[in-house]
Amino acid sequence: DTEVTQTPKHLVMGMTNKKSLKCEQHMGHRAMYWYKQKAKKPPELMFVYSYEKLSINESVPSRFSPECPNSSLLNLHLHALQPEDSALYLCASSRIQGQPQHFGDGTRLSIL
Amino acid sequence: QKEVEQDPGPLSVPEGAIVSLNCTYSNSAFQYFMWYRQYSRKGPELLMYTYSSGNKEDGRFTAQVDKSSKYISLFIRDSQPSDSATYLCAMSGYIYGGSQGNLIFGKGTKLSVKP
Repeated sequence: DTEVTQTPKHLVMGMTNKKSLKCEQHMGHRAMYWYKQKAKKPPELMFVYSYEKLSINESVPSRFSPECPNSSLLNLHLHALQPEDSALYLCASSRIQGQPQHFGDGTRLSIL
Repeated sequence: QKEVEQDPGPLSVPEGAIVSLNCTYSNSAFQYFMWYRQYSRKGPELLMYTYSSGNKEDGRFTAQVDKSSKYISLFIRDSQPSDSATYLCAMSGYIYGGSQGNLIFGKGTKLSVKP
């Protein structure tokens, strides 16, 4: 079991739906991250939160909207996604930004 | 030249073999050097990390960093079928805030250990 918990594990949604991915860690880490991973590729960084503030947005389309309600939780709100957005979405955390990161097992997202 | 280069394999070895996985890099600002193991349909698991240079050992695993050559290695001794996974190297510059603290991943090497 990982120390970063992601829900749901699987999600199938239509292009007009709105859904949210959730991530939780209780390691006291102050940096949290969202990544997208396609098959046979390394993870690609989407967003970084540092001390609950958005630190980095890697030019991600506005149909992805991150939120950090507190130091333990990270959400990714999804709206009007495209089929090419189907991927494994990974959350990670680290003690502070730049230090080694711990990943969850991801949410496998399929867009119909 | 990419910042981090890693041979994607696949690499197939018999059980009990010594496995050597390697990455090269070009950015001399990297200070954290990490190895992740990713099983199919799972997230990357932080296997080992080294700060700056030197070696680190944990059971059957040894991580080495040679900053003068910009080369890192992961050795797996007495490899087991359960070691079959994709191994990703990753590096970061560890400068608080800003993009230099981001992880830069290699492409990953798919390892298969045959019984």
